[in-house]
Amino acid sequence: DTAVSQTPKYLVTQMGNDKSIKCEQNLGHDTMYWYKQDSKKFLKIMFSYNNKELIINETVPNRFSPKSPDKAHLNLHINSLELGDSAVYFCASSHLSSRGQVNTEAFFGQGTRLTVV
Amino acid sequence: DAKTTQPPSMDCAEGRAANLPCNHSTISGNEYVYWYRQIHSQGPQYIIHGLKNNETNEMASLIITEDRKSSTLILPHATLRDTAVYYCIAPPGNYGGSQGNLIFGKGTKLSVKP
Repeated sequence: DTAVSQTPKYLVTQMGNDKSIKCEQNLGHDTMYWYKQDSKKFLKIMFSYNNKELIINETVPNRFSPKSPDKAHLNLHINSLELGDSAVYFCASSHLSSRGQVNTEAFFGQGTRLTVV
Repeated sequence: DAKTTQPPSMDCAEGRAANLPCNHSTISGNEYVYWYRQIHSQGPQYIIHGLKNNETNEMASLIITEDRKSSTLILPHATLRDTAVYYCIAPPGNYGGSQGNLIFGKGTKLSVKP
């Protein structure tokens, strides 16, 4: 039973389109994340979200927006896709302690490879 | 978060121990050290974490120096499937805007050779 699942695994779309990537975790974690891994293989955090607050990496364009219908889901919506958005996007989840420290491991999904043409 | 420094690459013979070093000289007293790895085309995978004491689990051992300025991840009997990029991370320890966020550096590319 997959702990963190993302769909779709591959996504090819044209510039200017709007697309969404779904993420679900069945671990009961209270915090979910989105990471972007570019062609140089650098993993960069985009968002972290729990039921209290959304933390946004200031370098993320506002075309990207996370939406959480419930604690088990954090979907990533991308508007007006650009060529530079091509990357692998990873969703993750973890549990934050009351002190805000991640004291259990984060689980990552298998990634969504987005190609913008 | 504390900056970590790792060698860009290492080789290890299959069946031998792989010792991956990490420097985190600016780590604060309440910041844990986490190790993750990413096997090609897969999502990152948690390996182990620790604060002060050495830790061991079914995957690896983590040795943290007494001054906590560096640590070593040990894979006791490396296999070909351990070939991956290994990341040493020290996320912020205090509750704040980026609490708990795992900030990945460049990591160490470990190649296990037959």
